[in-house]
Amino acid sequence: DIQVTQSPSSLSASVGDRVTITCRTSQGISTHLAWYQQKPGRAPKLLIYGASTLQSGVPSRFSGSGSGTEFTLTISSLQPEDVATYYCQKYNAAPLYTFGQGTKVEI
Amino acid sequence: QLQLSESGPGLVKPSETLSLTCTVSGVSISGSNFYWGWIRQPPGKGLEWIGSVHYGGSAHYNRSLKSRVTISVDTSKNQFSLKLSSVTAADTAMYYCARLEPYFDYWGQGTLVTVSS
Repeated sequence: DIQVTQSPSSLSASVGDRVTITCRTSQGISTHLAWYQQKPGRAPKLLIYGASTLQSGVPSRFSGSGSGTEFTLTISSLQPEDVATYYCQKYNAAPLYTFGQGTKVEI
Repeated sequence: QLQLSESGPGLVKPSETLSLTCTVSGVSISGSNFYWGWIRQPPGKGLEWIGSVHYGGSAHYNRSLKSRVTISVDTSKNQFSLKLSSVTAADTAMYYCARLEPYFDYWGQGTLVTVSS
C-alpha cells in the first residue's frame, strides 16, 4: 500500500505569515491528491483537488503544488479564520483512499 | 444544492452492529456516476476512509475493516447505509458520509457514535 506522510503535525504562526504543509507519498501518484480543512466541531471541507486546483469558493490565499510523491499546501497570508487541521488525501487508486495524519495550524 | 445527512443510533453496545444511513438530497444517487462513501474520525484523531458504494451496488472497503463492513445503497429512498459488525470501543467515532468525485467534495455534518455498554 502507498503510505501518506504529512508534516509537520502541528505549527504555530502569526497572522500574515506564509504557511506551508507537506504531504509525501511512498510511491508516485501523479497529481491525484486533495487537501481538506477541518475546523473544530465541523466536517472537513475540500480546499484543493488535482494537487493544485482550487475548489470553488475557496480563498485565493490557499494554493497547492506538487506531483509524483511530494505535495505542498500553502497559505500565503495566514488569517485567524484559517485556524484548523488540514489533511491531504490521495485518490490515485480510486475507489480506495488514504488520508494523511493531519496538520494542526494555530495562531 | 446537494446535501447529505447522517442518521442512526448514537450509542451502540460492544459486540453489536453499528448501523447508519446517509440521506442524499438535491441530486439523485442513481442519476449520477459517483461513488458515495463513509469516513470516520475517532475523538481527537485523524480521518479514516471506511468504504464506498456506487448506485449500481459495487462497493469497496478499507482493508482494515473489510471483514466487518457492509455498505449498501437504496436508490428508491436516495440513501446509502453503513453496517459495522462486532463493534468495540475503538469504533467510537464521528461518522461522516460524503460524495466521491473521486475526492470528497460534499460532506454530511457527521454523527457521533459511541460504543459502550
